[in-house]
Amino acid sequence: DQQVKQNSPSLSVQEGRISILNCDYTNSMFDYFLWYKKYPAEGPTFLISISSIKDKNEDGRFTVFLNKSAKHLSLHIVPSQPGDSAVYFCAARRQTGANNLFFGTGTRLTVIP
Amino acid sequence: GAGVSQSPRYKVAKRGQDVALRCDPISGHVSLFWYQQALGQGPEFLTYFQNEAQLDKSGLPSDRFFAERPEGSVSTLKIQRTQQEDSAVYLCASTPSILNTEAFFGQGTRLTVV
Repeated sequence: DQQVKQNSPSLSVQEGRISILNCDYTNSMFDYFLWYKKYPAEGPTFLISISSIKDKNEDGRFTVFLNKSAKHLSLHIVPSQPGDSAVYFCAARRQTGANNLFFGTGTRLTVIP
Repeated sequence: GAGVSQSPRYKVAKRGQDVALRCDPISGHVSLFWYQQALGQGPEFLTYFQNEAQLDKSGLPSDRFFAERPEGSVSTLKIQRTQQEDSAVYLCASTPSILNTEAFFGQGTRLTVV
């Protein structure tokens, strides 16, 4: 069963506007959440993360919001740039275990110049 | 090297053939992970090493899959008697220590079984 879900396979946004990518999870044992960015023919690249004890983490144009009660997180990109066009994966880690990540199925973001 | 290196980048295998996929993690990284990414899906965990010790292999889909990291650096994922459902991108990732969660990924090996 998919414990991390990204229900939007794709998203198109105009350059300069805000991109909002969403992610839902089902496992209450997740304590750390990450966003990875993936370009074609490359491996995923770490973008930003958030601990379950926080509700917001910001890094430049990227902000991740966590709503634990709703088991929902989102990634905001402001302003969006054409170079942000990629597939974005949401991932989560359990409190115990091997420190491996559980990934969503990804959202393909296209930023239109 | 500067990043995680995987080889080969692409592998075509006939059904029933054995394959070996190599991962060179970032030098000094303690933790090493293998993931399998099917088309249109996110990466799924296969196995985890801490140095040379394989601490978790719960994600390996069958006993045809075997991984090793004998000297705590380079790792090999071996798939015996490949099947069509094994076709996927195999990703290797490493972290500096067991405390780090932000893993560095290689480019992956795309395996196609025909």
